[in-house]
Amino acid sequence: KAGVTQTPRYLIKTRGQQVTLSCSPISGHRSVSWYQQTPGQGLQFLFEYFSETQRNKGNFPGRFSGRQFSNSRSEMNVSTLELGDSALYLCASSLAAAGGRETQYFGPGTRLLVL
Amino acid sequence: AQSVTQLGSHVSVSEGALVLLRCNYSSSVPPYLFWYVQYPNQGLQLLLKYTSAATLVKGINGFEAEFKKSETSFHLTKPSAHMSDAAEYFCAVSGSAGNMLTFGGGTRLMVKP
Repeated sequence: KAGVTQTPRYLIKTRGQQVTLSCSPISGHRSVSWYQQTPGQGLQFLFEYFSETQRNKGNFPGRFSGRQFSNSRSEMNVSTLELGDSALYLCASSLAAAGGRETQYFGPGTRLLVL
Repeated sequence: AQSVTQLGSHVSVSEGALVLLRCNYSSSVPPYLFWYVQYPNQGLQLLLKYTSAATLVKGINGFEAEFKKSETSFHLTKPSAHMSDAAEYFCAVSGSAGNMLTFGGGTRLMVKP
């Protein structure tokens, strides 16, 4: 079974631009979560989607948004990019939103560099 | 609120030596605990997880961890380190509300020949 895929793998943008990242979960998985990884802040939860609905949201500004489609694929969008948005963005999928005990399977990430 | 503390951002061991990576958690609800490993330029791979069954959890690649509620700890161990174990290790906790993981700061394991 194919793993979690993320596109693109690498991205360079300039301040003020916006960016859309894509995540395809493992077949059959309905929950998709997004995380930001930076050297300074570590791994931080952005948001989780289940059946096209946002279940949880982390402590990020409204410039960060996401959505999930009926086939469980998910996108996240960052508008008005800032230098501090440079990070590795990781997507994770799990079988169902079963109250926290589900294993989340991570994709390879999208590395975003904001210049 | 939940939090995870990993003591030691860098740990160095000799090949064949015991690996011990420390993780302490704070959670207001019975926690689910996870250890993930990250190799350079890759995502996270699950090593093992605790979901309130056996307190000693065995994972992949010879790793295991013991849940100790009285110490709020979930330390990761491996009896004999291998060069291929060099990577960054993350301890994480989730509660009962969805699949939100709270991660520790990570421990970079270095294995000396």
